[in-house]
Amino acid sequence: DAMVIQNPRYQVTQFGKPVTLSCSQTLNHNVMYWYQQKSSQAPKLLFHYYDKDFNNEADTPDNFQSRRPNTSFCFLDIRSPGLGDAAMYLCATSRDPAGGEQYFGPGTRLTVT
Amino acid sequence: KNEVEQSPQNLTAQEGEFITINCSYSVGISALHWLQQHPGGGIVSLFMLSSGKKKHGRLIATINIQEKHSSLHITASHPRDSAVYICAPSGGSNYKLTFGKGTLLTVNP
Repeated sequence: DAMVIQNPRYQVTQFGKPVTLSCSQTLNHNVMYWYQQKSSQAPKLLFHYYDKDFNNEADTPDNFQSRRPNTSFCFLDIRSPGLGDAAMYLCATSRDPAGGEQYFGPGTRLTVT
Repeated sequence: KNEVEQSPQNLTAQEGEFITINCSYSVGISALHWLQQHPGGGIVSLFMLSSGKKKHGRLIATINIQEKHSSLHITASHPRDSAVYICAPSGGSNYKLTFGKGTLLTVNP
């Protein structure tokens, strides 16, 4: 059974057109993470939620926002996508942030035209 | 110097061979993850370990905290094992995963 679900798996958006990526989890984990992974590169942490506490990485562009309306769901909003934002976006969860095992979703591949 | 070094970067094997991928790290950690990513796909967590050895099916992961070194072994490799394997320590002074550059494994039939 899928534990971390990401929708859609593939998303195409136009330059400058806002887009939202979705992540849900059935693990009841406290922490949800969003990573950006560009081709042939390691994943880069954008931000994470520990319960309702939002933690932004220092170098995450302002263009990227996140919402977590409840334990199960977390959204990544890209307000004005640029061509450089085309990437795989990975959601992950963990029970706690102190080095707990992270469970990854299948990712959403974003294309910006 | 990278905080996480994996070797080899690329590995080609014949089906049935025993595979070893190595990871050395310089950061302080509380745990180390081994992750698998098929080309164009998402990431699957294979192991998280903080000491000793873990085994899951044909996969074995070991870690030596004192030497700051971990290995991932695949016994009786199969073409479906072809993927990128990523070493990612976590913990120490923060929760973040520090990702290695990955090892691209290709297993030929």
